[in-house]
Amino acid sequence: DAGVIQSPRHEVTEMGQEVTLRCKPISGHDYLFWYRQTMMRGLELLIYFNNNVPIDDSGMPEDRFSAKMPNASFSTLKIQPSEPRDSAVYFCASSFRAGGKATNEKLFFGSGTQLSVL
Amino acid sequence: AQKITQTQPGMFVQEKEAVTLDCTYDTSDPSYGLFWYKQPSSGEMIFLIYQGSYDQQNATEGRYSLNFQKARKSANLVISASQLGDSAMYFCAMREGVTGMDSSYKLIFGSGTRLLVRP
Repeated sequence: DAGVIQSPRHEVTEMGQEVTLRCKPISGHDYLFWYRQTMMRGLELLIYFNNNVPIDDSGMPEDRFSAKMPNASFSTLKIQPSEPRDSAVYFCASSFRAGGKATNEKLFFGSGTQLSVL
Repeated sequence: AQKITQTQPGMFVQEKEAVTLDCTYDTSDPSYGLFWYKQPSSGEMIFLIYQGSYDQQNATEGRYSLNFQKARKSANLVISASQLGDSAMYFCAMREGVTGMDSSYKLIFGSGTRLLVRP
């Protein structure tokens, strides 16, 4: 399996621009997560989906952030308008919840998108 | 309140020696899972080991073992025979509320410990 695929690997943009981060989860996985990693705040869960439906978006910082999962093999995280404080590494991860026993299923992470907003 | 606490921002260990990375957690849920991930300088997140709250024995995976002390709510990672390639950030994480399909499926991470293995 190719693993979780994120694009782009690096994104440099100017304040006020729209940024779209993309993620392809592992085939067959039914959960998808978006995390943000910064030095100050560590790894924060932004939102997660189950079977393409957003389950918990309480970690989304503000209305400038939005995430979609139109199908089982694709998700986007959009920031509009972007601000310098959005600079971070954004990780996508996926997982498969087998048989309702939701304890030991590990998350598989993508390589992350390094976002720099100037 | 912090759900996952890693009190060691950075640690050194001599190559071939063992090292313990601390992790304490806070939950009132009787069913939960604890994970450790490694993040080398290249940035990817690598799963290392898992411990379930009902597991009777401490988890082991090769050179990694988890010192699980449930009453103290600690889940320390022990790396035996450290190698230079073990130099990385290490994150402890917890998933709580895992009973039933309607339960939360969040995995919450601690702030991490940076380990440097000296030759």
